[in-house]
Amino acid sequence: AQSVTQLDSHVSVSEGTPVLLRCNYSSSYSPSLFWYVQHPNKGLQLLLKYTSAATLVKGINGFEAEFKKSETSFHLTKPSAHMSDAAEYFCVVSTTGSNYKLTFGKGTLLTVNP
Amino acid sequence: DAGVTQSPTHLIKTRGQQVTLRCSPKSGHDTVSWYQQALGQGPQFIFQYYEEEERQRGNFPDRFSGHQFPNYSSELNVNALLLGDSALYLCASMPLTISGRTGTQYFGPGTRLTVL
Repeated sequence: AQSVTQLDSHVSVSEGTPVLLRCNYSSSYSPSLFWYVQHPNKGLQLLLKYTSAATLVKGINGFEAEFKKSETSFHLTKPSAHMSDAAEYFCVVSTTGSNYKLTFGKGTLLTVNP
Repeated sequence: DAGVTQSPTHLIKTRGQQVTLRCSPKSGHDTVSWYQQALGQGPQFIFQYYEEEERQRGNFPDRFSGHQFPNYSSELNVNALLLGDSALYLCASMPLTISGRTGTQYFGPGTRLTVL
C-alpha cells in the first residue's frame, strides 16, 4: 500500500521569500516520488521526480526536493517565490509494485503575495 | 512532439446519461491511465490500460469502463451518470516497456464533465 500526506492545505508567501511545501509518504516498496503543479484550469505539469538516484532532486522553475528516507519525507522548496508560482501543488508516490499507479496527496494551494 | 491530448474539453450531461471521453497518449507511450479529480481534491486513480487490457483498477464502480485501441489511444466510458461524477477527468500516459520504464507519467489537459 502507498499513501501521501501533504501537511499544509494552504501556504501563503510574499514574492521573493522562500517556499516550503511539506510532504510525507508511506510505501511498502522503494518509492518513486513526484511533485506536480496545476495552474487554474490547466492540466498537471511535472515539476520533479525522485527515482532512487540522488536524494536532492532539482526540477523546473528553480524548485527542488530532498528525499529523506529516515523521515519518510519529500518536501518541496524554492529559494525565492515568484508571482507565477501561485498554483496547486501535488505530492505523488508510485511504486513498481503498483505498476506505477500514482497516488496523490490532497494538494497544497500556494498563494504568492506582492 | 505532441503531448497527451484529450477530447472533448468540456462536456455537460444529465443524470442517467452515458458519456465517452477520449485520450491520445504521448508519442512512444503504450500505457494509459485515467484519473478523476473532483473539485478541490487530488486526482484519484480509476484504471490503467496496457496492451489493450485493463491492468489494474482503483476504487471505482463498474459504471466506469474503458478501452484501449491498437494505436494505444484510450476511451473512458461512464454509464448511468450521477451528480457526483462531475469532475475533471485526466488521462496520463507512460512507456511501460522495459526500455522506457521510468514511472513518469505525462498528463493531458483533462475533460471537465458536468452532470446536471
